[in-house]
Amino acid sequence: DAGVTQSPTHLIKTRGQQVTLRCSPISGHKSVSWYQQVLGQGPQFIFQYYEKEERGRGNFPDRFSARQFPNYSSELNVNALLLGDSALYLCASSLGRISSYNEQFFGPGTRLTVL
Amino acid sequence: KNEVEQSPQNLTAQEGEFITINCSYSVGISALHWLQQHPGGGIVSLFMLSSGKKKHGRLIATINIQEKHSSLHITASHPRDSAVYICAVNNDMRFGAGTRLTVKP
Repeated sequence: DAGVTQSPTHLIKTRGQQVTLRCSPISGHKSVSWYQQVLGQGPQFIFQYYEKEERGRGNFPDRFSARQFPNYSSELNVNALLLGDSALYLCASSLGRISSYNEQFFGPGTRLTVL
Repeated sequence: KNEVEQSPQNLTAQEGEFITINCSYSVGISALHWLQQHPGGGIVSLFMLSSGKKKHGRLIATINIQEKHSSLHITASHPRDSAVYICAVNNDMRFGAGTRLTVKP
């Protein structure tokens, strides 16, 4: 079975632009979470989607939005890009909502550079 | 103060040494995760535990719920263990900053 996949692998944008990142979960997984990892720091939680509904949101501005499709894949959108949005964006999937019973499986990440 | 603190930030060891990485947290949790991140970014889940101790190969993870502390041990370390080890707790998956481990041959 394929693991969590993310696209694109790398992306370069300029300030003010908009970006869409994509994630396909492991087959059978219904929950997708998004994380931002700035160089040298641990990941930070952005969103969790379960059964196509937002179930959790981290401390990120409204420029960040996401959605989950009927096939449980997900997109993360970032508008009005800032230099500080440059980071590795990680997607993780799990069978159910984040809990003590559901292990998360991470994708390889999308490295976004904002110039 | 971060809700999840790891120590040390950086660790260099010689091949074969026993390694301990520590994680302390200040929030109530349902589970704690230990993750491994190699250069390039990919993250692998090593352990998910809510009590006691788990062992997988040369890796051992322990957690003390009363003291809000967890440790990750690596026995007989090897250069391929070189990576960043990250502790994360449930409740929106709050992450520590990671411990960068380098094992020299």
